[in-house]
Amino acid sequence: QVQLVESGGGVVQSGGALRLSCAASGFSLSSSGMHWVRQAPGEGLEWVTFIQFNGNDKEYADSVKGRFTISRDDSKSTVYLQMNSLTVEDTALYYCVRDGGNYDFDFWGQGTLVTVSS
Amino acid sequence: QSALTQPPSASGSPGQSVTISCTGTSSDIGGYNYVSWYQQHPGKAPKLIIHKVNERPSGVPDRFSGSKSGNTASLTVSGLQTEDETDYYCSSFAGSNIWVFGGGTKLTVL
Repeated sequence: QVQLVESGGGVVQSGGALRLSCAASGFSLSSSGMHWVRQAPGEGLEWVTFIQFNGNDKEYADSVKGRFTISRDDSKSTVYLQMNSLTVEDTALYYCVRDGGNYDFDFWGQGTLVTVSS
Repeated sequence: QSALTQPPSASGSPGQSVTISCTGTSSDIGGYNYVSWYQQHPGKAPKLIIHKVNERPSGVPDRFSGSKSGNTASLTVSGLQTEDETDYYCSSFAGSNIWVFGGGTKLTVL
C-alpha cells in the first residue's frame, strides 16, 4: 500500500536550518509529483512547495521562497525539503503529500513536527 | 497567493444537509475546475474527499458532493452523521504549479 514516512523534524533555533525527508513506498515515486504541506499548531493547512515528477519544475509559496528547497532522489524513493533561515512562523507539522494527478493531494504522510524557538 | 475564504464553523443535525462555502478569485477557483476538499479528524492527516470540483475518489460516500459557481466552491454533506463532525478544507490550483488552501471549517453535528 502507499506509504509516505516523514522524518527530520525537531527543535531548531531561529535562523537555523533543517532537512526533512519523505520516504515513499507502494507506488512509483518517479511517476509522481510531490508536495510539502504544513500546518501550524491549531491552524489550517498551508501549501509549501511542489516538485514535478521529473524534477524539472519546482514551485514555492511566497512565505518560503528563497529559504526552502525541495528535491528528490528517485533511486532512494525519497523527497527532501531543505529549510534555511527558519523563523518562529515556520513552526508546524510538515506533511509530505503525493500529487493525485488531478491537481489535488491524494495521499498524505503522518507529518513531522518542526519547532523553531526564538 | 492569498488563502481561500471558508466560514470558521458550520453545523447541522443528524440526517440534515449542510453546505460549506469556499471563496477565492478568478486566479484560482474561478479560473480552473481543480477544486478539492479534504476532511481532517483530530490528530490525523487530511483525507481527500472531493476532487475536480465534484468528483468523489473511490471509497468516499456519496453523501459528500461538491459544486462551483464563479469564484466560489461548495461542499455539501447530506444525511449528516456523527462521524462527519470534524474539520474540512478546500483547495484550488492557482496556475503555474501553485496551490492555495482555505482556512478550514469546523463542522459540528448537533
